[in-house]
Amino acid sequence: EIVLTQSPGTLSLSPGERATLSCRASQSVSSSYLAWYQQKPGQAPRLLIYGASNRATGIPDRFTGSGSGTDFTLIISRLEPEDFAVYYCQQYGSSLFTFGPGTKVDIK
Amino acid sequence: EAQLVESGGALVKPGGSLRLSCAASGFTFSDAWMSWVRQAPGKGLEWVGRIKTETDGGTTDYAAPVKGRFTMSRDDSKNTLYLQLNSLKAEDTAVYYCTRGSNHFNLWGQGTLVTVSS
Repeated sequence: EIVLTQSPGTLSLSPGERATLSCRASQSVSSSYLAWYQQKPGQAPRLLIYGASNRATGIPDRFTGSGSGTDFTLIISRLEPEDFAVYYCQQYGSSLFTFGPGTKVDIK
Repeated sequence: EAQLVESGGALVKPGGSLRLSCAASGFTFSDAWMSWVRQAPGKGLEWVGRIKTETDGGTTDYAAPVKGRFTMSRDDSKNTLYLQLNSLKAEDTAVYYCTRGSNHFNLWGQGTLVTVSS
């Protein structure tokens, strides 16, 4: 089973700042099968990025995904008030899915 | 508009059973691979299991913690996904989300809460 590690655990930033979130896999992940989600309190997760770098429908272009192999990154170029949330990466391989533990982006 | 609505969550005793349902609308359910994802209180997301379309064999895969205890099924005539939970443990307490997707999840329900406690 591929284990995903996310860092940092918590990121404290101000609106307008840039957020850089990391997702590292215990073994190589196909870029086609790496996704990112945003979850706000009391809500279901929302797909942000799939295939490592493709924005889902309706996702603003301040969200950018990149990476390959075992290292993937989600960048939020300028934080808006609605972006403060928990972010999860997820991979699919060998008929199994795994999620990372999440990065919380909170207001500094 | 595509939508998933879960139901069936409840308080159940350890060792008990429960069946969750997920009603799909707004898309061709029979063409969709479906999964259940759960989230324990205050914790992260955990994939539970996936069922393929009947065209792709209708096969299921499960995460290790639930394999042998949970069973997914689908009724394409009713646009409904099911999750049968048996031999429930306290650590199965979570919000259970129904999701759509083959290698990522592009549609989520609002979740249904399962609490396992005596």
